[in-house]
Amino acid sequence: AQSVTQLDSQVPVFEEAPVELRCNYSSSVSVYLFWYVQYPNQGLQLLLKYLSGSTLVESINGFEAEFNKSQTSFHLRKPSVHISDTAEYFCAVSSQGGSEKLVFGKGTKLTVNP
Amino acid sequence: GAVVSQHPSWVICKSGTSVKIECRSLDFQATTMFWYRQFPKQSLMLMATSNEGSKATYEQGVEKDKFLINHASLTLSTLTVTSAHPEDSSFYICSAEPGTGALEQYFGPGTRLTVT
Repeated sequence: AQSVTQLDSQVPVFEEAPVELRCNYSSSVSVYLFWYVQYPNQGLQLLLKYLSGSTLVESINGFEAEFNKSQTSFHLRKPSVHISDTAEYFCAVSSQGGSEKLVFGKGTKLTVNP
Repeated sequence: GAVVSQHPSWVICKSGTSVKIECRSLDFQATTMFWYRQFPKQSLMLMATSNEGSKATYEQGVEKDKFLINHASLTLSTLTVTSAHPEDSSFYICSAEPGTGALEQYFGPGTRLTVT
């Protein structure tokens, strides 16, 4: 079984500041890793994913995440945030070679202040 | 992008009644659909996985007879909460996977159920 820990339930930052949202996972098998974003009153949207290959993955809106197998982490980073990045961010894992089931963390509420 | 809708977006029902929630993939065919439940400030918890034309696979601890799932077509899955009780009040979210091998689920906006 897998589990996901998002240590920070809320992260307030100022606009144009860098941000890191932490995600650690636990699994006895190899995993795929995902970050989803949920804007107010909207459904979850895939932000980025790691399936294989380069451990650094990027999204189209400037976020990046790096898979660190030794630390079982998949932290999400952005060098300069915008007001529009305010949302709830969920880290999730699924097992390689298994079903497509996702196991989610509890989410991190990112609030970008002017 | 791929769009998944849910109906209704919110519903209030009396204890003992049943409520049906629909999940539709609007612009793609979904070989697999998932139903999640989310409590306030908690993670999404997978309730069941459904494949078109077959019985749903329920997660441990989820009552099959209480949460009836039907995946009648490649674009529609329904979740019926039978004999609802106040403890069933929650946010129910569905997702759909096109089965392209991209391992990407598209999520609906969710349905807020309140049982009085």
